[in-house]
Parts: sequence; C-alpha cells; structure tokens
Amino acid sequence: AQTVTQSQPEMSVQEAETVTLSCTYDTSESDYYLFWYKQPPSRQMILVIRQEAYKQQNATENRFSVNFQKAAKSFSLKISDSQLGDAAMYFCALGANYQLIWGAGTKLIIKP
Amino acid sequence: NAGVTQTPKFQVLKTGQSMTLQCAQDMNHEYMSWYRQDPGMGLRLIHYSVGAGITDQGEVPNGYNVSRSTTEDFPLRLLSAAPSQTSVYFCASSYSYSGANTGELFFGEGSRLTVL
Repeated sequence: AQTVTQSQPEMSVQEAETVTLSCTYDTSESDYYLFWYKQPPSRQMILVIRQEAYKQQNATENRFSVNFQKAAKSFSLKISDSQLGDAAMYFCALGANYQLIWGAGTKLIIKP
Repeated sequence: NAGVTQTPKFQVLKTGQSMTLQCAQDMNHEYMSWYRQDPGMGLRLIHYSVGAGITDQGEVPNGYNVSRSTTEDFPLRLLSAAPSQTSVYFCASSYSYSGANTGELFFGEGSRLTVL
C-alpha cells in the first residue's frame, strides 16, 4: 500500500522567516512523483511544486524548494521569506499507478 | 474557459436521500476523478474515469456511483446518503490518465455536503 504521512498538523512562522514542512511516504513503485499542494481558505487546490522521483536534483519554484531524500523516503518543503499569503493548508501527495495519495495536511500560520 | 465546474457548491441532505454532484470540464480532458476531503485527513479518491464509458473504483468507493457518458461530464451519485458521507467533494481532471501520476490535475472549487 502507498502511504503519505505529514506529522505536523500545524506550523507557525514569523513573516519573512523560513519554515520547513515535513513529509514521508512509502511506495513500491519505481516511477512516481511527489507534490506539495496549497489549499487556502477558498478551498482551491493549488500545485506548489513537483518532484520527479528519478531526478536527483531538488525542485525549486521561487521561494519554495524541496529536500528530496529518496532512500529515506522523505520529501520536505522549505518556504523562504514567508509571506502572509502563504498561510494555508499544505498537502504532500504521491503520484503513482495513476492515483494521487495524499497526506493529512499541515496548517501553516504566518505571524505578522 | 470555465475549467472544472462543480455544482452545487453547498448541499444539505437528510439520511436516506439521494442526490447527484455534477462535474463538468470544457478542456477535453480524458481523465476525471472524484475525491472527498475530511477534517484531519488528506483527499481520498472515490472513483475515476480514463475516458467516456470507462470508470473505476478508487480508495473509498462504497456508497457512491459514477458514470461517464460524455467526455465533459462525470457526475457522482449518492443513492442513499449517510452521515458518514458528510464531506467536501472535489472533482479533478487531466488531459490524460497519466496526469494523476504527474499531478497535472485541474481541480474544481469543491462541494460541501452535509448529511443530517
């Protein structure tokens, strides 16, 4: 069975500082993708960043970057220079075998 | 371009009632899917379709029916609603079934369903 675990139900960070959200996963597939999605109060699901498992280089999108540790099955998201607009639920997800498996989410609070 | 449209956005049902959540996309996407989102849990796949006339079960299919008679529409039917089906439901589509692997999914805005 494929699983995704987010062990931090809630995180808070001061505006302009850096925060890291944790995610671990398990899959027997050799071909898979990992994602971080953002869900603001509007409920809209927004893809933040994507990592292909066969790529060793960590993905980066502006202030968002990941630390992909394939052997440890770990996939953390680092948000630099946190902004008030980053406040949302963040979901880690695993794409494999034509399904997306989701973690339970981490609520990110930004303190002004 | 409307993207993925879900209706209704909010619905209250009584136990035992039936209803259909509508999902339509205007992007000619092959792949369509339904998820439910419950507090403290990630999204869970209910049913999905890789093309017109083809549907398959996801992680939590019990209590739900789907059909895919056209490329554009993928309705989710609750035949006899139960309180355990109180949730937020998301429809998502992709240009191909591989989109579920690659995360290239377009999500609707969600439908909040309450079953009393």
